[in-house]
Amino acid sequence: AQKVTQAQTEISVVEKEDVTLDCVYETRDTTYYLFWYKQPPSGELVFLIRRNSFDEQNEISGRYSWNFQKSTSSFNFTITASQVVDSAVYFCALRPVFRNFGNEKLTFGTGTRLTIIP
Amino acid sequence: SAVISQKPSRDICQRGTSLTIQCQVDSQVTMMFWYRQQPGQSLTLIATANQGSEATYESGFVIDKFPISRPNLTFSTLTVSNMSPEDSSIYLCSATSGGALETQYFGPGTRLLVL
Repeated sequence: AQKVTQAQTEISVVEKEDVTLDCVYETRDTTYYLFWYKQPPSGELVFLIRRNSFDEQNEISGRYSWNFQKSTSSFNFTITASQVVDSAVYFCALRPVFRNFGNEKLTFGTGTRLTIIP
Repeated sequence: SAVISQKPSRDICQRGTSLTIQCQVDSQVTMMFWYRQQPGQSLTLIATANQGSEATYESGFVIDKFPISRPNLTFSTLTVSNMSPEDSSIYLCSATSGGALETQYFGPGTRLLVL
């Protein structure tokens, strides 16, 4: 069974502050993918990053960075110098590497609503 | 990457009626999915849309209520049948893309309000 926990339901920070969104997961699979998605008020789910379980190298993309710690089953997301446009609900998700088509499903966390205060 | 479009983007429907949502992907993908997101909640998988065969439904979802079609690799429809106010949700189409089906993309969603 898979489970993704986003303990932070809502976070508010003042613009230009840094903010970290936590994600902790549980899985029995040895190989899997981790994802982060952004859902702005418009409702569309925007793909941000995919991380393979065998690659623990942290990643940075502009103001976004991700810290993958397999030892603690965490995949945290940090926004540096936050902006109002970062206000959205952020979802962390987990999926096994495909082996048998149709048997692998994306498991979502409950999401963290991030509000950036101008 | 895959670009996914959905129609309609939103609708207001009367109780007891049915609505069909269309999903179009701009490239051939192997797997397509339908999700429901109730207000303020996370995403719940309804079913996997299989090309040329019956969809695979998750626990709690049945074909009579949510019939799904997928006639080819780039198109799928979801029908919400005999609607009630509890069906008011965002319905999202999703597809996997990538050499190893690695990344799952989502459409813009269909906001449904049932009165």
